[in-house]
Amino acid sequence: GESVGLHLPTLSVQEGDNSIINCAYSNSASDYFIWYKQESGKGPQFIIDIRSNMDKRQGQRVTVLLNKTVKHLSLQIAATQPGDSAVYFCAENKENTGKLIFGQGTTLQVKP
Amino acid sequence: DADVTQTPRNRITKTGKRIMLECSQTKGHDRMYWYRQDPGLGLRLIYYSFDVKDINKGEISDGYSVSRQAQAKFSLSLESAIPNQTALYFCATSGAAGAPNEQFFGPGTRLTVL
Repeated sequence: GESVGLHLPTLSVQEGDNSIINCAYSNSASDYFIWYKQESGKGPQFIIDIRSNMDKRQGQRVTVLLNKTVKHLSLQIAATQPGDSAVYFCAENKENTGKLIFGQGTTLQVKP
Repeated sequence: DADVTQTPRNRITKTGKRIMLECSQTKGHDRMYWYRQDPGLGLRLIYYSFDVKDINKGEISDGYSVSRQAQAKFSLSLESAIPNQTALYFCATSGAAGAPNEQFFGPGTRLTVL
């Protein structure tokens, strides 16, 4: 079956440090892998996506890495700020349908 | 003004009651989705609609039904609520077929079934 999971439920980092949030997936047929951020009391917010034929994609202060050999996805956040504190979900989109399958989420805590 | 709104934001009901959760969007998007989130878990897709005449089941559609009244409105109904449907419910929208990964979520409805 399909599953998307994250390695650690909670990650605590110091403000200004870089954060790395990891995700493992099992469905090799997915066309896109996506990261969402959910702040307390709000709905998830799209961060960045990567197509399955790419290894790396960069956004503003974020980088997503895809390793298809070991079915691993990561989100790197540079110079982590207090506003980055949230739950981060990885998701996959098979056949570009919009039917997203979400992982369980990693809580990122940023210490001042 | 919020682009995706959900009503009510909180609801407490009893087992066996019929409940409707409503979602409206001003983004002009064709695609709309209903998700459920349980504590410590990710979101799971209940139903989705790619246009007014298109309704599809998601991962966990049993016990739920939906209605797409217009492009901007997509409602979720629980015909006979049960306690394990207690959860946080999110509506989302997305644009054209080329960009389904970026979904825009509403603020959520917290539903408690006693």
